[in-house]
Amino acid sequence: AQRVTQPEKLLSVFKGAPVELKCNYSYSGSPELFWYVQYSRQRLQLLLRHISRESIKGFTADLNKGETSFHLKKPFAQEEDSAMYYCALKHQGGGNKLTFGTGTQLKVEL
Amino acid sequence: NAGVTQTPKFQVLKTGQSMTLQCAQDMNHNSMYWYRQDPGMGLRLIYYSASEGTTDKGEVPNGYNVSRLNKREFSLRLESAAPSQTSVYFCATRPGQGAWREQFFGPGTRLTVL
Repeated sequence: AQRVTQPEKLLSVFKGAPVELKCNYSYSGSPELFWYVQYSRQRLQLLLRHISRESIKGFTADLNKGETSFHLKKPFAQEEDSAMYYCALKHQGGGNKLTFGTGTQLKVEL
Repeated sequence: NAGVTQTPKFQVLKTGQSMTLQCAQDMNHNSMYWYRQDPGMGLRLIYYSASEGTTDKGEVPNGYNVSRLNKREFSLRLESAAPSQTSVYFCATRPGQGAWREQFFGPGTRLTVL
């Protein structure tokens, strides 16, 4: 069965410090992975997808198939990065379903 | 365009009461989804509808029913609410075709069952 693991419930960093939000997955095929973010009082929204290999709001995520990881990184945290972050894996089979991790609350302190 | 809308925003029920959560989208998306979000458990899929006229169970369907009324609307019904169904419910939509298409989420409904 496919699974997404986010080991940290809460990650607290100081402004300007590097950030790494961990995500590990288990999947038998070629994975399609996403990072979603939920800012306070806002709806869940896509942050980035691994196929794009893009940097959004300074965040990047690299798929490491050997370690089955898709960690989210940013070199210098900003206060506005404080939010809930979810890693998600697209299901095999129909329906384009997503399996979400349990989420990591990022708190950036001044 | 409103995107994905959900009603109501908040609801308090007593155990055993029934209610329907409404979701509507104006993006002409084929697929629609219902999730629940609980602390420490992330988002879990309740039901989904890959296209108009079809519905399928997700990870946690027990205690819920759904109706894909038309392409725009996908409702979630609790026939006899239980305290374990206290949660935040999110509706999401997705274009039917194409890989790597993201899901778009509604603002959520916060439900408390006493």
